[in-house]
Amino acid sequence: AQKVTQAQTEISVVEKEDVTLDCVYETRDTTYYLFWYKQPPSGELVFLIRRNSFDEQNEISGRYSWNFQKSTSSFNFTITASQVVDSAVYFCALSEAGRAGNMLTFGGGTRLMVKP
Amino acid sequence: DTGVSQNPRHKITKRGQNVTFRCDPISEHNRLYWYRQTLGQGPEFLTYFQNEAQLEKSRLLSDRFSAERPKGSFSTLEIQRTEQGDSAMYLCASSKGLGVGTGELFFGEGSRLTVL
Repeated sequence: AQKVTQAQTEISVVEKEDVTLDCVYETRDTTYYLFWYKQPPSGELVFLIRRNSFDEQNEISGRYSWNFQKSTSSFNFTITASQVVDSAVYFCALSEAGRAGNMLTFGGGTRLMVKP
Repeated sequence: DTGVSQNPRHKITKRGQNVTFRCDPISEHNRLYWYRQTLGQGPEFLTYFQNEAQLEKSRLLSDRFSAERPKGSFSTLEIQRTEQGDSAMYLCASSKGLGVGTGELFFGEGSRLTVL
């Protein structure tokens, strides 16, 4: 069965610090997809990124970057020069290609607080 | 607004009452999902529709829960004889896809249920 673990339940940083959110996953499928979602106080989950299991290239989008390492089953998310607006709960999620539909299994989330 | 819409946003009810939530997905999306999120946890999958067909249900969906998606458009999630343990945020999401899906899910802002 699939599982996603986000060991950090809460992180607090001061604005402009870099911060990395950890994500470790378990799956028996060889083809799967990994996601990060942001949940601001309003409650709506906002999609940030999707990676498939065959693409281990790291990705950078502005201040966000993602490090996917199959060898350690990890998909970590780094925010560079954090800002107060980055304060939210961040969820890592897994979708297995062998399963019809694209149901997501979420981790427990990491609450990020960025202080001015 | 062309996003996923959920109503009502908040519902307070007494134990034993029935409640119904409605979700209007993004119009061109054929897949619709219901998730439940309790405080401090990640969303948990409840059920999934492809068009009007309910293709998968989680074991979390007890006999008191029923979901429908008539005509493959909006969906309703009804909880009968509510219990205090049903208190949670009920999230609806939609996506586009056929067969094994790989696309991202678009979430609504959720319907928060409080059972007294």
